[in-house]
Amino acid sequence: AQSVTQLGSHVSVSEGALVLLRCNYSSSVPPYLFWYVQYPNQGLQLLLKYTSAATLVKGINGFEAEFKKSETSFHLTKPSAHMSDAAEYFCAVSDPGNQFYFGTGTSLTVIP
Amino acid sequence: EPEVTQTPSHQVTQMGQEVILRCVPISNHLYFYWYRQILGQKVEFLVSFYNNEISEKSEIFDDQFSVERPDGSNFTLKIRSTKLEDSAMYFCASSAGQAGQPQHFGDGTRLSIL
Repeated sequence: AQSVTQLGSHVSVSEGALVLLRCNYSSSVPPYLFWYVQYPNQGLQLLLKYTSAATLVKGINGFEAEFKKSETSFHLTKPSAHMSDAAEYFCAVSDPGNQFYFGTGTSLTVIP
Repeated sequence: EPEVTQTPSHQVTQMGQEVILRCVPISNHLYFYWYRQILGQKVEFLVSFYNNEISEKSEIFDDQFSVERPDGSNFTLKIRSTKLEDSAMYFCASSAGQAGQPQHFGDGTRLSIL
């Protein structure tokens, strides 16, 4: 069975600081992993995806994530936070049948 | 870029009434999904739909819920007799379906049950 765990329901960073949002997965098969962002009153927007190609995946808005099989992790990072990055971030894993399993989300606050 | 569109953006309904939430998935996608997000909580899977039938459903998706693809473009979620606890954001998503393909989400319908 597939699942994801997001450590830290709330993360606060200063503007310009490193953003690190954690995601660990559990999967009985090679996983497909995704990060989505949700701005207030909007749907989920795909940030990036890992589908067994390069382990370092670059996404939109300067975000990237690294797949580490040995740690079963897929943490999301951005070198320098911007005020517009404040949002809810969801990690997800999908199974071969394309069933998605979402984490509980991490709310990112950016402090000016 | 193609989008998933949902209507209405906000639906207010009296408890016990039927409600239909509408979605237009991306046109060449084959898999369709409904999710629910209660205020301040995580996104919860309700149902997936492929080839004109339900392929998976969660415990939340009980007999009060149904889905339909009445024509070639719309995908609807019906709640037969709404309860207060049905108040939530409902998101529709679609995907091309192959393993590893992302799901594309609409902006959601906010359902408020009075």
